Amino acid sequence: DIQMTQSPSSLSASVGDRVTISCRASQGISNYLAWYQQKPGQVPKLLIYAASTLHSGASSRFSGSGSGTDFTLTISSLQPEDVATYFCQKYDTVPWTFGQGTKVEIK
Amino acid sequence: EVQLLESGGDFVQPGGSLRLSCAASGFTFSNYAMTWVRQAPGKGLEWVSSISDSGGKTYYADSVKGRFTISRDNSKNTLYLQMTDLGAEDTAIYFCAKRHTNNALVPGNYFDYWGQGTLVSVSS
Repeated sequence: DIQMTQSPSSLSASVGDRVTISCRASQGISNYLAWYQQKPGQVPKLLIYAASTLHSGASSRFSGSGSGTDFTLTISSLQPEDVATYFCQKYDTVPWTFGQGTKVEIK
Repeated sequence: EVQLLESGGDFVQPGGSLRLSCAASGFTFSNYAMTWVRQAPGKGLEWVSSISDSGGKTYYADSVKGRFTISRDNSKNTLYLQMTDLGAEDTAIYFCAKRHTNNALVPGNYFDYWGQGTLVSVSS
């Protein structure tokens, strides 16, 4: 099975900082990658699919890039409401595996 | 408005069984594949099982294969997960989730709506 590895596992940044989260697949998955945001005590929300397509209603501060094995989620200017854990998910083939998550906090 | 409402979570002893339900509304349920995803306390997301729009195709994570059965009743707009031989490792919040698209040409499965989840706790 293809493994999904996110880095870092957690980060602390200041309001207004540019934040990047990495997701690496152990084998190529083309652009079949989604990103989710899960705020504390809430359910996951879809942010991005097809590696770089912003889901309807998601903030334009979020962008995604990458293809093959290496992917990045970028928050252009970190805001307090972005405090959350972010998960990537491959969806090319079964199993539809999630990364282990990256917790983002405000410094 | 899309709504997914899970129920059936409970405290159960090791080796026990439970059936989870997810009542869907606000979209044409029979047009979309559906999925169960779980999250152990303080942990990440784990895909558990998915079922095609018609119910004709089912998929399972290795960790639950042979113990869990996913099904759906399109006449009742309801998704189910029958869980047997439960162990402590199955303790989690179980979410049902809707596939983003009903386009059969788009491969795979990602999720645009999630329910609030139902807690399954396995302990003696």
